Amino acid sequence: AQSVSQHNHHVILSEAASLELGCNYSYGGTVNLFWYVQYPGQHLQLLLKYFSGDPLVKGIKGFEAEFIKSKFSFNLRKPSVQWSDTAEYFCAPDQTGANNLFFGTGTRLTVIP
Amino acid sequence: DAMVIQNPRYQVTQFGKPVTLSCSQTLNHNVMYWYQQKSSQAPKLLFHYYDKDFNNEADTPDNFQSRRPNTSFCFLDIRSPGLGDAAMYLCATSRLGGETQYFGPGTRLLVL
Repeated sequence: AQSVSQHNHHVILSEAASLELGCNYSYGGTVNLFWYVQYPGQHLQLLLKYFSGDPLVKGIKGFEAEFIKSKFSFNLRKPSVQWSDTAEYFCAPDQTGANNLFFGTGTRLTVIP
Repeated sequence: DAMVIQNPRYQVTQFGKPVTLSCSQTLNHNVMYWYQQKSSQAPKLLFHYYDKDFNNEADTPDNFQSRRPNTSFCFLDIRSPGLGDAAMYLCATSRLGGETQYFGPGTRLLVL
């Protein structure tokens, strides 16, 4: 069975600090990997995705993520966070062909000005 | 411009009283999804439509049904809501399966 682990439930950072949110998944087959973000009062939206090719992918607002196949990981990073990055972040692998986006439990990021 | 629209945003129903939540999209996407998200939990897929083909997740209760009368609209019917069905219900669409999903704002359901 597929599972997703997001290790950090709530992260609090000051502006300009660096961010890394962990994500590990259990499925061993081919997966597409997504990070979605939910800003306060807004709907879920795509932050970035990995399907194939360069394992380092860049998304919106300066975020990037690295797919490490050997570690089943897809960690999210940002060198310098801003107050406007305060949101809930969900890692979501999609087993190829299954049309089943399997969400992690989410990490709440609070950025203090 | 709103691309995935959910109505109503808040819905209050009584225990056991059928309720219908609606979702519409302006993206002309083939796939429409319904998720349930309980407080402090991850969104959980209930079912999805690939065009007219309905795909139910194995652990979705029979109490939950769905209809997709055309490409633009999809409905979630809860036949006999229980207190445990109180949650945020999210609708999403994608052009094809496995691609980026576009989410609506959700409908928060309260069961009294």
